[in-house]
Amino acid sequence: QSVLTQPPSASGTPGQRVTISCSGSSSNIGSNTVNWYHQLPGAAPKLLIYVNDQRPSGVPDRFSGSKSGTSASLAISGLQSEDEADYYCAAWDDSLNVWLFGGGTKLTVL
Amino acid sequence: EVQLVQSGAEVKKPGESLKISCKVSGDSFTTYWIAWVRQMPGKGLDCIGIIYPGDSDTKYSPSVQGQVIISVDTSITTAYLQWSSLRASDTAMYYCARLRSGTYFRGGFDFWGQGTLVSVSS
Repeated sequence: QSVLTQPPSASGTPGQRVTISCSGSSSNIGSNTVNWYHQLPGAAPKLLIYVNDQRPSGVPDRFSGSKSGTSASLAISGLQSEDEADYYCAAWDDSLNVWLFGGGTKLTVL
Repeated sequence: EVQLVQSGAEVKKPGESLKISCKVSGDSFTTYWIAWVRQMPGKGLDCIGIIYPGDSDTKYSPSVQGQVIISVDTSITTAYLQWSSLRASDTAMYYCARLRSGTYFRGGFDFWGQGTLVSVSS
């Protein structure tokens, strides 16, 4: 069971906006920044959002991140079929002294 | 461009030792933290440890403390993950990844290796 809690699944239709939540605690999200990754089947994860709301070069602005207190969210607007993947949040935990990942959310584009 | 190239898949028996590698090229090796991330079959991501090649400062997840060793060889810009005695529960895909920030608690893992599949079975 992950210390960072994500819904196991999410879905939307092409063009819709979906959000994925990530809930933590004061020792991780509450005191450190949050990153988001997505992973296609059989591939390595890819960084989507870092430091809560920053996009690496090449990541479309359809992806956005936010953080409030001990929770964070990833929003995907203008949903596309190629967005179908597993999504993970991550944050450093000051108590465990380790990077934590959420359990992952499988996004289905209907 | 930054590249992380990992060693090939391994098939081992319980009790055997193993050392897998991650060759980093395209940018400074000694000024970015490198992580090892485990993904068990059908499961999510789990960071088992990070190392700073500049001084070999290493932080392990409590879930693997004492069971693995993370190290680097700066002369060949390569990071390693090793086991002295494998268990069936070590069966997983292992990724190395570079932390884009110079600080261990901030930034994201911006470049990833292709993964090394480790299978442990009698």
